[in-house]
Amino acid sequence: EVQLVESGGGMVQPGGSLTLSCVASGLTFKTYSMNWVRQAPGKGLECLSYISGNSNTIYYADSVKGRFTMSRDNAKNSLYLHMNSLTAEDTAVYYCAVVPAAIKRWLDPWGPGTLVTVSS
Amino acid sequence: DIQMTQSPSPLSASVGDRVTITCRTSQSISNYLNWYQQRPGKAPKLLIYLASNLQSGVPSRFSGSGSGTDFILTISNVQPEDFATYHCQQSYSTPPWTFGPGTKVEIK
Repeated sequence: EVQLVESGGGMVQPGGSLTLSCVASGLTFKTYSMNWVRQAPGKGLECLSYISGNSNTIYYADSVKGRFTMSRDNAKNSLYLHMNSLTAEDTAVYYCAVVPAAIKRWLDPWGPGTLVTVSS
Repeated sequence: DIQMTQSPSPLSASVGDRVTITCRTSQSISNYLNWYQQRPGKAPKLLIYLASNLQSGVPSRFSGSGSGTDFILTISNVQPEDFATYHCQQSYSTPPWTFGPGTKVEIK
């Protein structure tokens, strides 16, 4: 069974930085593209970034481009999201999710999420 | 960017009802449309992929249809555990893909 577990969330001041991690198990991690998705309180889902299995391809949403950096360490079965210049609008639950294959353009499964709160 | 809308929201239903949720996109996306269910406090769960394909383990009362710009998620014989929020997502464009605003299915 594939399992994803995010960590690293917490409270941070405006303008601060935070790095989220996602550890995967039950799959050959290096063969899967991954996504970060967030959900602000009471709001919908927003895809933030995508990374291919070999890290050669990375995409970002305009809302985080230049502030967030997605990376992965396949030896550690781990995915990361380094977030800079955080504002209150970045307050959300952050999820990592698997893209099952290049032709399987959907997200499954998802981790349980980690909450990031940006507040002074 | 591909814009997405969902209707209605919220949607009130009773156990045993048949409900339909519509997702519309601002341009044609062929069948690159996925549906997710999200229960309160939980992560989204894939229900339907590529517009009409039922994910393994999902009850057959869920079904999806549509192509181009108009898509429908149908829940026949709504069960108590189906009261949740449903999100559509397009995967036609270059990632990151976009989601609709979500439809909350509430108990009438």
